[in-house]
Amino acid sequence: EPEVTQTPSHQVTQMGQEVILRCVPISNHLYFYWYRQILGQKVEFLVSFYNNEISEKSEIFDDQFSVERPDGSNFTLKIRSTKLEDSAMYFCASSATANSPLHFGNGTRLTVT
Amino acid sequence: AQSVTQLDSQVPVFEEAPVELRCNYSSSVSVYLFWYVQYPNQGLQLLLKYLSGSTLVKGINGFEAEFNKSQTSFHLRKPSVHISDTAEYFCAVSGGGSNDYKLSFGAGTTVTVRA
Repeated sequence: EPEVTQTPSHQVTQMGQEVILRCVPISNHLYFYWYRQILGQKVEFLVSFYNNEISEKSEIFDDQFSVERPDGSNFTLKIRSTKLEDSAMYFCASSATANSPLHFGNGTRLTVT
Repeated sequence: AQSVTQLDSQVPVFEEAPVELRCNYSSSVSVYLFWYVQYPNQGLQLLLKYLSGSTLVKGINGFEAEFNKSQTSFHLRKPSVHISDTAEYFCAVSGGGSNDYKLSFGAGTTVTVRA
C-alpha cells in the first residue's frame, strides 16, 4: 500500500539555524498538509497546500515557516530560524481529495538545542 | 470551527477485556469524524472514519465507533483488546461537506493493555 514518507526521522539543530523537513506524499494525492505535535500536547494543524499554493495556515505558521513542492514529488517544510519552542514531531500528510481521509507519514522529530 | 474533547487521557485495560474511548465534538456544521492510532515511534494511522450514512462505523483491527449526533459523540470501542493495541488514540474532526477539511485533533488517549 502506498504511504507517505518523511525524512529524516530525527533532526537535531541549533537555535537560529534553518531546517528543512522533507516529505514524499502518496503519488496521486493532490492535497498536502503539515501538522506538528509538541511533546505531551495535541496534534496541531500548521498548513495545507493545494495546486501549488497554500490553502490555509494556522496562527503557528508565521513568517519563519514556508512550504514548497519543488519537483512534483517532494513537499518540504522550511523553518528559517529555529527556536527552542519549535522542538516537536512534525507530521506530513496527503489526501486524494479535499474531503478524503488524510494519510500521515511517520513524522520527523525536530530537536532544537 | 470544530473542536474535539477526549475525556480520558489514560486508559489501562487487561488483555481480552473490552475498551471504550470517549470522544465528544463541537461544531456548528455537519462534520466528518475520525479515529487515528499512533503506535510507539510511528506515525498516525487511520482506524476508521464517519463521513455519512450508517452511524456505526467499523474500522481496522476490530475497532468500531458510533456517531451520535444528539450527544455529539463518536466513542471508539473494541470488545476484546490485545497487547498489540497498546498505543495512543486520537479522535479528530473536520468540517463535513465544506472546504474546511483540516483536522482538529483531540488531546489523545493512551491505552495500555496488560496481560
